Amino acid sequence: AQSVTQLGSHVSVSEGALVLLRCNYSSSVPPYLFWYVQYPNQGLQLLLKYTSAATLVKGINGFEAEFKKSETSFHLTKPSAHMSDAAEYFCAVLHGSGNTGKLIFGQGTTLQVKP
Amino acid sequence: GAVVSQHPSRVICKSGTSVKIECRSLDFQATTMFWYRQFPKQSLMLMATSNEGSKATYEQGVEKDKFLINHASLTLSTLTVTSAHPEDSSFYICSVGQYFGPGTRLLVL
Repeated sequence: AQSVTQLGSHVSVSEGALVLLRCNYSSSVPPYLFWYVQYPNQGLQLLLKYTSAATLVKGINGFEAEFKKSETSFHLTKPSAHMSDAAEYFCAVLHGSGNTGKLIFGQGTTLQVKP
Repeated sequence: GAVVSQHPSRVICKSGTSVKIECRSLDFQATTMFWYRQFPKQSLMLMATSNEGSKATYEQGVEKDKFLINHASLTLSTLTVTSAHPEDSSFYICSVGQYFGPGTRLLVL
């Protein structure tokens, strides 16, 4: 079975500092991996996704993630945190394929950005 | 990508009543949609896979008779919470592939 684990339920950084949110996956097949952001009382917004093309994936709002097979990781980074980045972040792996596959989510990481 | 809407955005109902939540795919014909539930401070848990023209597939532990899913067209799936109880209060989110709706906040009094 495929799964993802997010290390750290809560991450706090200062404004302008590097953001690093960790995600490790478990999959018996080449995975499709996703990062989402969720603001309070809202749905999920797709930040970026890995679909077996380039291992370094660039997303919206300055975020990027690198797929590392040797480490079974897909960590999310942003060079400089902004106050508006404070939110809940979810890593997910696709179980199945295409639009009929289902997403399996990690536990989520709350990002706090201090002024 | 697909644009997904949900209605209503929030609903309050009395215990014992039924509530219907709609999920629409606005620009994509979806043979499959997904329903998730999210409790406060928790992750999303997949409830069921909605299949156009056939029965929904429910995840283990989800009562199919309590959470009725109908996917009558390629653009609409509905989730009906029957005989709602306070413990059903949650945030319900649907998705079309990797794209999510804005969610529906259900509060059962």
